[in-house]
Amino acid sequence: GQQVMQIPQYQHVQEGEDFTTYCNSSTTLSNIQWYKQRPGGHPVFLIQLVKSGEVKKQKRLTFQFGEAKKNSSLHITATQTTDVGTYFCAGPRYGGSQGNLIFGKGTKLSVKP
Amino acid sequence: ETGVTQTPRHLVMGMTNKKSLKCEQHLGHNAMYWYKQSAKKPLELMFVYNFKEQTENNSVPSRFSPECPNSSHLFLHLHTLQPEDSALYLCASSQFSSAAAGYEQYFGPGTRLTVT
Repeated sequence: GQQVMQIPQYQHVQEGEDFTTYCNSSTTLSNIQWYKQRPGGHPVFLIQLVKSGEVKKQKRLTFQFGEAKKNSSLHITATQTTDVGTYFCAGPRYGGSQGNLIFGKGTKLSVKP
Repeated sequence: ETGVTQTPRHLVMGMTNKKSLKCEQHLGHNAMYWYKQSAKKPLELMFVYNFKEQTENNSVPSRFSPECPNSSHLFLHLHTLQPEDSALYLCASSQFSSAAAGYEQYFGPGTRLTVT
């Protein structure tokens, strides 16, 4: 069945280091969304990518959608302790209701001050 | 953020109890969702409602019964649960229920459920 995979599962970095998480889909996606969940919190929408090869930036965060629209990445430059949390990618699930998002398992980021 | 609220925030129930989770969204959205989040598992979609009508039941056991009286409120009625049902239950809403069209979802804070 359709899968969305994220690597790595965990990432520990020293504050100031860069961080990247990768998202790979088994199917071509019409769009991909990224969410962040702080420890003890709930997922919060960060951004959506739609176009092939699209790159979007939010301050220190850079999001990229692959040319084939099957993979995506999130890169954080010079991590801060406020970046701690789990980052999820999600894409539309095909074959079911259009409301269905399929989420990756997430990458849990910890930042050592 | 108070766009999507959930009550209670924590719930401990026995396997023979009946309880309900409540979700309310103040965003004027038309679609609402229930998700289950367990340790080491991805977010699992349970139910989708669009304009009060259920459009998705993701093979959820009948001990979970959703109710959507209007586009702003969503309930999850629980009865005879199992210990493995212990998890964080998240409610979400979006303007319309079309992930393919790219409508982002707004999540509530969740209900941490423990079944004893």
